[in-house]
This record gives sequence, structure tokens and C-alpha cells, in this order.
Amino acid sequence: QSVLTQPPSASGTPGQRVTISCSGRSSNIGGNTVNWYQQLPGTAPTLLIYSNNQRPSGVPDRFSGSKSGSSASLAISGLQSEDEADYYCAAWDDGLNGRVFGGGTKVVVL
Amino acid sequence: EVQLLESGGGLVQPGGSLRLSCAASGFTFTNYGMSWVRQVPGKGLDWVSGISGSGGSTYYADSVRGRFTISGDKSKNTLYLQMNYLRPEDTAVYYCAKESMKYDLPSSAIDYWGQGTLVSVSS
Repeated sequence: QSVLTQPPSASGTPGQRVTISCSGRSSNIGGNTVNWYQQLPGTAPTLLIYSNNQRPSGVPDRFSGSKSGSSASLAISGLQSEDEADYYCAAWDDGLNGRVFGGGTKVVVL
Repeated sequence: EVQLLESGGGLVQPGGSLRLSCAASGFTFTNYGMSWVRQVPGKGLDWVSGISGSGGSTYYADSVRGRFTISGDKSKNTLYLQMNYLRPEDTAVYYCAKESMKYDLPSSAIDYWGQGTLVSVSS
């Protein structure tokens, strides 16, 4: 059972917009920034979004992040086949004094 | 180019010990915090431990506190994870990861990951 809650899967057709939610509490998302990671099959994760809504250089602007209260979301607009991957949210938890991850969401491009 | 190369994984019996190493290059090691994150094959990510760039602050997940120790050697640009009293549930791929900040891990993001080393705990 992960501290941050994500839906196990999401899907869309090419060109569609897909949104992934990440639910937490005041001790984690509510009080700290949220980061998102993409993990392509068989590879290590990579940073997709940091500080709630910032994209590292090289990340397409199709990817966007937002946060409201103790929840966050990742949106993928103009879905492409190469976006098929697992996506994880993460935040620091002040109560646990450590980083916590969501359980991950597998995005399938139909 | 940031590179993180883990080593030291392998098969160990329950109750045994293992030390993981992570050779870092492409950045000033002492200017950034570092972390270890593990992943059971086919499952999600599980943060294990973190250390500030100065080495003065260390953080542990409840599941490993008291059994694992994180440390860094700035002369070798190498991060370590000493794992004692290993349990079958510690079996996972262990990733070495660079933080985006030096001191403030709560506000930091993991911005680079190694390729991982597999630790198997079984009799």
C-alpha cells in the first residue's frame, strides 16, 4: 500500500489527452512539492516534472503537472505511442521524514 | 554528462550483509544530495535512503532504519549503502540517484538515476 495513491492504469488513443491523479495528505503533497517520473519498459526512471509543474530541459511540453491542496496530477496531451510507460508521483513526507512514491500508473496507448 | 554506476549486488542469505557502491561522475559530488531507491521487478518504486551533499544529514525509510547505512566518500565520488540483517523482502533492484539540491532533500527532486543493481535475499 503506497502512501501516495495513483490509479493503476490509464489509456488513450494517439492524440488524446490523458490525466493521472496522485492523492496524498497534508504531510506530503499538501506541504511539499511533487515530482513525476516516467519509466519506460526495462529502463530506469527519468525525471518528467519537478516542483509541481516544472519541466526539465528536453521534456516535451505535452507533459504538464499541477497541484491543488493534497492532490496532484500529470497531464499528457497529444498522446503518442512512445508515451506508453509507467508514471510515478513522489513527494517528501514530513511525518515519515522521507520521500514517498505513488504506486505507479501504467499508461497504454490504444 | 552525469553518470551513476552501481555495483555490489548479488545473492545473499537472510540475515546476511551486502554493500552497494555507486560511482558518480559528471558533476561535483559534494554539491548534491544522493539517494537509494529500490524496485521489486514488476512493482513500484520504493525510496530507501538519502544523504545531503555535505554528508551531515541522512534519512531512512522506516523499513530499513537500523539495518541500512548510507554514506559517501568525496575522495572517490562514491556513494555507498551498507545493508545488514537482510530479509527476503529486501530483494529488489537498487537504484543510485542524484538529488537536484545539496542540503534540502525535502524540496529536492531525483534528477538522475543509475541503471540499478539486483539484490536477491534467499536461502
